[in-house]
Amino acid sequence: EAGVTQFPSHSVIEKGQTVTLRCDPISGHDNLYWYRRVMGKEIKFLLHFVKESKQDESGMPNNRFLAERTGGTYSTLKVQPAELEDSGVYFCASSQIGLTYEQYFGPGTRLTVT
Amino acid sequence: KNQVEQSPQSLIILEGKNCTLQCNYTVSPFSNLRWYKQDTGRGPVSLTIMTFSENTKSNGRYTATLDADTKQSSLHITASQLSDSASYICVVIRSNDYKLSFGAGTTVTVRA
Repeated sequence: EAGVTQFPSHSVIEKGQTVTLRCDPISGHDNLYWYRRVMGKEIKFLLHFVKESKQDESGMPNNRFLAERTGGTYSTLKVQPAELEDSGVYFCASSQIGLTYEQYFGPGTRLTVT
Repeated sequence: KNQVEQSPQSLIILEGKNCTLQCNYTVSPFSNLRWYKQDTGRGPVSLTIMTFSENTKSNGRYTATLDADTKQSSLHITASQLSDSASYICVVIRSNDYKLSFGAGTTVTVRA
């Protein structure tokens, strides 16, 4: 069974540019989560999809971040315009329906904003 | 202040030696606690999961303990191997919304 995949693995952009991160969850997993780890800090929750619906987006830092999950399969996270403080590693995780199932993490996308 | 605190921040050990990582948490209400291993360039992978009633759980050379009264957990690595070099993250899950609260991790480096 393929795991959670994320693309790209690394992205370096300039302040003010736009970047779109993609996450492909494990097939059949209705729950999809985005997290972010800023250097030296702990991983923090951004948002949670159940199928194509946003269940909880309380962790999104501001309106420069837009997440979508069209069709309830893969998800994208767009940052527009990017700021220096957006640098970090963005993780995606997926799990089966229900909140008690283990979340499986992707390898992350390292975003560097210069 | 983070609700999950880990110590030490990093440690270096010689291959074959043992080490213990600590995790203190204030997350409430408590559902379960997981230890994750994160290799460089990879996502976190669950090593152990412990519920309120469990105080010890093993996974090969990894042994986790939990004291739910003092809200402390530890991860013991026995007979370390070079492949144990990674970041180890303590994660506490709340029982009301099942959100994950992460510690900042302990970076373990095993040297030959």
